[in-house]
Amino acid sequence: NAGVTQTPKFQVLKTGQSMTLQCAQDMNHNSMYWYRQDPGMGLRLIYYSASEGTTDKGEVPNGYNVSRLNKREFSLRLESAAPSQTSVYFCASSGARTRGNEQFFGPGTRLTVL
Amino acid sequence: LAKTTQPISMDSYEGQEVNITCSHNNIATNDYITWYQQFPSQGPRFIIQGYKTKVTNEVASLFIPADRKSSTLSLPRVSLSDTAVYYCLVGSHTGTASKLTFGTGTRLQVTL
Repeated sequence: NAGVTQTPKFQVLKTGQSMTLQCAQDMNHNSMYWYRQDPGMGLRLIYYSASEGTTDKGEVPNGYNVSRLNKREFSLRLESAAPSQTSVYFCASSGARTRGNEQFFGPGTRLTVL
Repeated sequence: LAKTTQPISMDSYEGQEVNITCSHNNIATNDYITWYQQFPSQGPRFIIQGYKTKVTNEVASLFIPADRKSSTLSLPRVSLSDTAVYYCLVGSHTGTASKLTFGTGTRLQVTL
C-alpha cells in the first residue's frame, strides 16, 4: 500500500496563476483533509471531507476550493494564486478503523508563489 | 477546539528520557489528547493518544492527570533519530472526521 500520495512534490507559480494539487489514498478511508504549513508553524486545516460527496471548510479556506472526486481522491485548487499562499500543503486521511484522532499524512507539496 | 500550550524547544542527550508537557486548561469532556511527531520535510505521524491516566505503546508513554488539564509525553532513551517537532492536540472524534488543531509544537533536539 502506498498510503497517501500527493502530486506534484514541488511547484512554482506566478501570482494569478491557477493550479490543482492532487491527493489520493489507498486505505479505503472515508475522511480526507487538506492542511497548509507555513515556515516554523503548525499545520492549519484548509478543507476537509468527512465522506465521499461532502466537503467542509476548515480554519483557512479563503482562496481555495476542493473536490472530493471519489472515495480515493481529494483535490485542492488555487484559482488565482497569491504570494501569501506560499506554503507546504499536506493531504491526510482517516477512517472508521483508525484510532480516533489518527490521520495519515502524505509527503506534502511545496508551493512557491512569486 | 481546546488550545494547547507546550514548550517551544527542548534539548536532550542520546539515551536520556524526555518528557514534554502540554497544557490544555479548557479541554472538553469529549476531547482526547493526541501527540504527533514531524520530521523535516515530512508530514506528521501519529505517536499516541489517550483520554485519562496512562497509555503506553512501543514508542512512548502518555501521562494524563485526573483533571486532564495537562498531559506529558514521555520518550524513553531517546536517540538522534528522535530529533523532530512534537505536537500536542486535543479534540473529539465523533463521527468519521476529526478536525485537528496543530499548535507550533515542541522542537526536540537530541545530541550525542
